[in-house]
Amino acid sequence: QVQLQESGPGLVKPSQTLSLTCTVSGDSITSGSYFWNWIRQPAGKGLEWIGRMHTRGSANYNPSLKGRVTISLDESKNQVSLNLESVTAADTADYYCARDFEYRSFYYYMDVWGRGTPVTVSS
Amino acid sequence: QSVLRQPPSVSGAPGQTVTISCTGSRSNIGAPYDVHWYQQLPGAAPKVVIYSNNNRPSGVPDRFSGSKSGTAASLTIAGLQAEDEAEYYCQSSDSSLSGAKVFGGGTRLSVL
Repeated sequence: QVQLQESGPGLVKPSQTLSLTCTVSGDSITSGSYFWNWIRQPAGKGLEWIGRMHTRGSANYNPSLKGRVTISLDESKNQVSLNLESVTAADTADYYCARDFEYRSFYYYMDVWGRGTPVTVSS
Repeated sequence: QSVLRQPPSVSGAPGQTVTISCTGSRSNIGAPYDVHWYQQLPGAAPKVVIYSNNNRPSGVPDRFSGSKSGTAASLTIAGLQAEDEAEYYCQSSDSSLSGAKVFGGGTRLSVL
């Protein structure tokens, strides 16, 4: 059974880069045809999709984040990483990683989620 | 403001049926991109309850069903149980945002 676990610094200073890691257990991140997503949720608010990376290297990002985001895969560590540059207080949220499952050719839904990790942006 | 619109809250008594709506536009639900529904219990991560408009993953009770028509979708929960009390989110993709995944604002289901 695939499990995801997010980790990273709980506190980041404004203007710095937020770096999070999602460790995948129970399967290799490069086996099969999956996308690996990052999603965030400010306290008491809704979900916002950040972006995703495919096992074969293609990536999609939310245009609203204006090029501040990079998602990468580390096959040797079986991890998915998120870098978010130039953070502000508006980036304070719980951050989740989730796997995209291909239920039909080129159609995906997020079938496995991590438990999330909180991030606060503050000086 | 979310791309997909949901009512902030719905409620029902145990055993009743409730429906949660999700309204989009021609660039997302009407594109037509599929709609998925996620349940988020308090303090927990989201979990998919309906995928591809009307399909239930294994393990999700058949009390949960979904439908889609035009630029809108809905999630119906029959035979409400206390354990169904949660936040529910619809999700699709949007061609005007380069295919980005988009969510509804969420609907809080209260079981009275």
